[in-house]
Amino acid sequence: AQSVTQLGSHVSVSEGALVLLRCNYSSSVPPYLFWYVQYPNQGLQLLLKYTSAATLVKGINGFEAEFKKSETSFHLTKPSAHMSDAAEYFCAVRTSGGSYIPTFGRGTSLIVHP
Amino acid sequence: EPEVTQTPSHQVTQMGQEVILRCVPISNHLYFYWYRQILGQKVEFLVSFYNNEISEKSEIFDDQFSVERPDGSNFTLKIRSTKLEDSAMYFCASRRGGDYGYTFGSGTRLTVV
Repeated sequence: AQSVTQLGSHVSVSEGALVLLRCNYSSSVPPYLFWYVQYPNQGLQLLLKYTSAATLVKGINGFEAEFKKSETSFHLTKPSAHMSDAAEYFCAVRTSGGSYIPTFGRGTSLIVHP
Repeated sequence: EPEVTQTPSHQVTQMGQEVILRCVPISNHLYFYWYRQILGQKVEFLVSFYNNEISEKSEIFDDQFSVERPDGSNFTLKIRSTKLEDSAMYFCASRRGGDYGYTFGSGTRLTVV
């Protein structure tokens, strides 16, 4: 079985501050991990993914995430928040073999203050 | 960039009515999915569809739900007799195959009153 836990339904930061969105996963086999972003009135867009290559993964819009097996974590970071980063962020996991169906977390809403 | 298109963006229906949610996946994609997100909850998998048949479905996808790809371009989700708890955002997604990622549509917000 696989699952993800996103800590914090809402994260609020000031423009220019560090963004840290937390994701912990549970998987009985090596996982593939994803971060998706959903802007208002739009679909889910893939930000980045980890597929067992480099543990530090760089995505679009300056985001990156680090796979830490010992901590079963895949936290999303960005050094400096922009107003345009305000959105809902979803972490997802799927196993590296078998089904391509990812399991999503509940999502974290990122609020960026001027 | 190719998109997955969902219509309508918002649908309000009375309890007990049938609804059909429509999706146009990307043309060269082979795998199709429906997910839903009840307000404030996680995005949940409903069903996957490949080669004109259901390949996987979750426990949520009971006899009230059905999917169809009637004409080679549209991919529909039908809910036969809607309940209040079916109110959610429904996302369609498609995937080309292999390890290519999903492309999601912008969703249909279904409100059952």
